[in-house]
Amino acid sequence: DAGVIQSPRHEVTEMGQEVTLRCKPISGHNSLFWYRQTMMRGLELLIYFNNNVPIDDSGMPEDRFSAKMPNASFSTLKIQPSEPRDSAVYFCASSFGAGSTEAFFGQGTRLTVV
Amino acid sequence: EDKVVQSPLSLVVHEGDTVTLNCSYEVTNFRSLLWYKQEKKAPTFLFMLTSSGIEKKSGRLSSILDKKELFSILNITATQTGDSAIYLCANRGNTGFQKLVFGTGTRLLVSP
Repeated sequence: DAGVIQSPRHEVTEMGQEVTLRCKPISGHNSLFWYRQTMMRGLELLIYFNNNVPIDDSGMPEDRFSAKMPNASFSTLKIQPSEPRDSAVYFCASSFGAGSTEAFFGQGTRLTVV
Repeated sequence: EDKVVQSPLSLVVHEGDTVTLNCSYEVTNFRSLLWYKQEKKAPTFLFMLTSSGIEKKSGRLSSILDKKELFSILNITATQTGDSAIYLCANRGNTGFQKLVFGTGTRLLVSP
């Protein structure tokens, strides 16, 4: 298994532009998480899905952030319009089961908004 | 709101030292506590703890959970430079949908 796959690995964009981050979870996993990591705030949960349904999006910072999971093998996190303070590493993770298994992380997307 | 607090925030030790990393948590309905190691990229899984007092061990790393006092520790003995990383503690609780809440991590640097 290739693990959780994220793309792009790095993204540099200008303030005001739309950014779309992509994630392919491990096949068979039914939970998917989007996290954001910064030096100041650590690893923050933005949103998580179970069986493609958003369960908790209370961590999404603003309306500029949106996430979708159209099917079990694909999810996107979109920021529109992007701002410099959105610069961070965004991780996607997936897991399976009813609360007794670990989550596996992708390699992350390093976003820089200038 | 579920919460995880790790200490210390950072730590510098010499190769061969033993270190103890701390994780305290607040959770509505506890399910499990997880430890991850993060080097340059993605966090990688170390341990999952669900029961108090039962030590989990992997090589020089070990971890234990105290559900009464709501904390866990991660021990690393005979540290090596390859142990340098951020160690993350995460708590799963509150719902049955595997929501993981992470602490800010402990940044460990092992000097030669």
